[in-house]
Amino acid sequence: QAGLTQPPSVSKDLRQTATLTCTGNSNNVGKEGAAWLQQHQGHPPKLLSYRNNNRPSGISERFSASRSGNTASLTITGLQPEDEADYYCSTWDSSLDAYVFGTGTKVTVL
Amino acid sequence: EVQLVESGGDLVQPEGSLRLSCAASGFTFSNYWMSWVRQAPGKGLEWVADIKGDGSKKYYVDSVKGRFTISRDNAKNSLYMQMNSLRAEDTALYFCARDDGASPSAFDFWGQGTLVTVSS
Repeated sequence: QAGLTQPPSVSKDLRQTATLTCTGNSNNVGKEGAAWLQQHQGHPPKLLSYRNNNRPSGISERFSASRSGNTASLTITGLQPEDEADYYCSTWDSSLDAYVFGTGTKVTVL
Repeated sequence: EVQLVESGGDLVQPEGSLRLSCAASGFTFSNYWMSWVRQAPGKGLEWVADIKGDGSKKYYVDSVKGRFTISRDNAKNSLYMQMNSLRAEDTALYFCARDDGASPSAFDFWGQGTLVTVSS
């Protein structure tokens, strides 16, 4: 089953802004939007954003999400060392009747 | 506090079987869809299956259809995955995740995972 496409890696300087993308199609991102998850090495994923730009309690305002057509984006402002992690998008695909995840983006803070 | 605790992972030979469990607490279990998501070593996340709160609907990724069965026992606040005809490519850390049930939904809580290794 096809997943969502994310760039493999993004590297930015401390306190800079990183924008991660997640590209799908009209049956998934274009229809449902996407959620974003953060995963630090050796830990389970943590939900960062859902229904395009809602943050769970405790998630920093530095994380914001948006969607344009079939592409969802996650913007991380004021990058901090603790933001170094893998980031995944996810959503339901109505043509597959299945959840799909993005391929994941590794964020490095220089 | 929402908690999800997986168990049952083990080393198993190809074509063998295994049953994973996930004990849930801190929320009304029967109100939520629940999923299994796996992560092969060094790889990304892959959704495996999910089940509606009352158990009446189930969905699977194509690669496990006919081999894996998701189920739940709401009286025990537990989620299960019966895994048969296991293959080397099923080797992964298996997470139990809660689906927040909205539209579109998101996985809002995750367990720590249980490791399944398929090898002779």
